[in-house]
Amino acid sequence: DQQVKQNSPSLSVQEGRISILNCDYTNSMFDYFLWYKKYPAEGPTFLISISSIKDKNEDGRFTVFLNKSAKHLSLHIVPSQPGDSAVYFCAARQWGTGNQFYFGTGTSLTVIP
Amino acid sequence: GAGVSQSPRYKVTKRGQDVTLRCDPISSHATLYWYQQALGQGPEFLTYFNYEAQPDKSGLPSDRFSAERPEGSISTLTIQRTEQRDSAMYRCASSLALGTGELFFGEGSRLTVL
Repeated sequence: DQQVKQNSPSLSVQEGRISILNCDYTNSMFDYFLWYKKYPAEGPTFLISISSIKDKNEDGRFTVFLNKSAKHLSLHIVPSQPGDSAVYFCAARQWGTGNQFYFGTGTSLTVIP
Repeated sequence: GAGVSQSPRYKVTKRGQDVTLRCDPISSHATLYWYQQALGQGPEFLTYFNYEAQPDKSGLPSDRFSAERPEGSISTLTIQRTEQRDSAMYRCASSLALGTGELFFGEGSRLTVL
């Protein structure tokens, strides 16, 4: 039972344009959401997070939006750069239930120069 | 250490053998997680430690899987009587303290069971 879903396995975007990666979740008790970025042969690295008390968090070119009523979050990358090409995982945590993080299956982003 | 270190990076074993994977977390980090990641999937939770305590091992798929962190630093994940379905990337991650959001992942140990 996948509690965090990334329905787009891949995405291609032209350099300089916006990349939008989407993530849906089913558990309304999730209170903290994260995005991780993964290059080949490396472990995932933390990118940006958002608490459920917010609906937006921005860090440079990266912005995460949270829509709690729709149980949906998205990661916007503006402008996209070739170095952003990687697999992006969203993750969610339900505090107080063992501190587990639930990960999506990932979206592979390719930024075309 | 400066980052999370896992060994071995690659392990090929025959079905029925036992394997032990090692994780050396960031030295100041109290919390350590083990995840299993199949090809094309996201990491799936196995267990976690807070110092040497293991509050949650609900993700371990069977009693063939066990993990230890006896001194609250280095951790090992042991799989007994390996089966082909155990083939996966095993990822260790650590975080500064329980409840802090950011996990720092190691490069993983890729296990192949023939």
